[in-house]
Amino acid sequence: QSVLTQPPSVSAAPGQKVTISCSGNTSNIENNYVSWYQQLPGTAPKLLIYDNSKRPSGIPDRFSGSKSGTSATLGITGLQTGDEADYYCETWDSSLSAGVFGGGTKLTVL
Amino acid sequence: EVQLVQSGAEVKKPGESLKISCKGSGYIFSNYWIGWVRQMPGKGLEWMGIIYPGDSDTRYSPSFQGQVTISADKSISTAYLQWSSLKASDTAMYYCARRYRYTAYGDYWGQGTLVTVSS
Repeated sequence: QSVLTQPPSVSAAPGQKVTISCSGNTSNIENNYVSWYQQLPGTAPKLLIYDNSKRPSGIPDRFSGSKSGTSATLGITGLQTGDEADYYCETWDSSLSAGVFGGGTKLTVL
Repeated sequence: EVQLVQSGAEVKKPGESLKISCKGSGYIFSNYWIGWVRQMPGKGLEWMGIIYPGDSDTRYSPSFQGQVTISADKSISTAYLQWSSLKASDTAMYYCARRYRYTAYGDYWGQGTLVTVSS
């Protein structure tokens, strides 16, 4: 059971938009920055979003992040088959004094 | 170019010890934290712990405290994750990642080290 809650799966058609939620509490998401990672099959995680909504160099603006209260959201527009992957949110948990990940969301582009 | 290169896959028996490594290059190794993440087969990511090679300040997730040891040798830009007595449940892929503070995101990741523990 992960500290952060994500939907196990989401799906959408190519070209469409999808959002992935990440729910936590005041000890983690509400008072700390959230980051998002993409993990393609058989590869290491890759940073997509940091500090709630910032994109590292090289990440297309089809990917966006937001945070409100105890929840965060990853948005992906203009879906491509290459976006099929597992997506994870991460933040710091002040009660645990440790980082925490969401359980991951598998994105299927139909 | 920043790179984290991890040691190769390991196959061990229950009760054996193991130390895997993560070597950084392309940046000042001592100035960034290195964190370790576990991914069990078919499962999600788990935050294990983190070390600052500059002074060896180390933090562990409560779930992993006492189960593993994280260390670093800044003279050779390498961080380590070790077990004194492996269990079958330690079978997993282990990733290292660079973080600019211990509460922050991982901006560069190693390729992963697969550890298989089986009798």
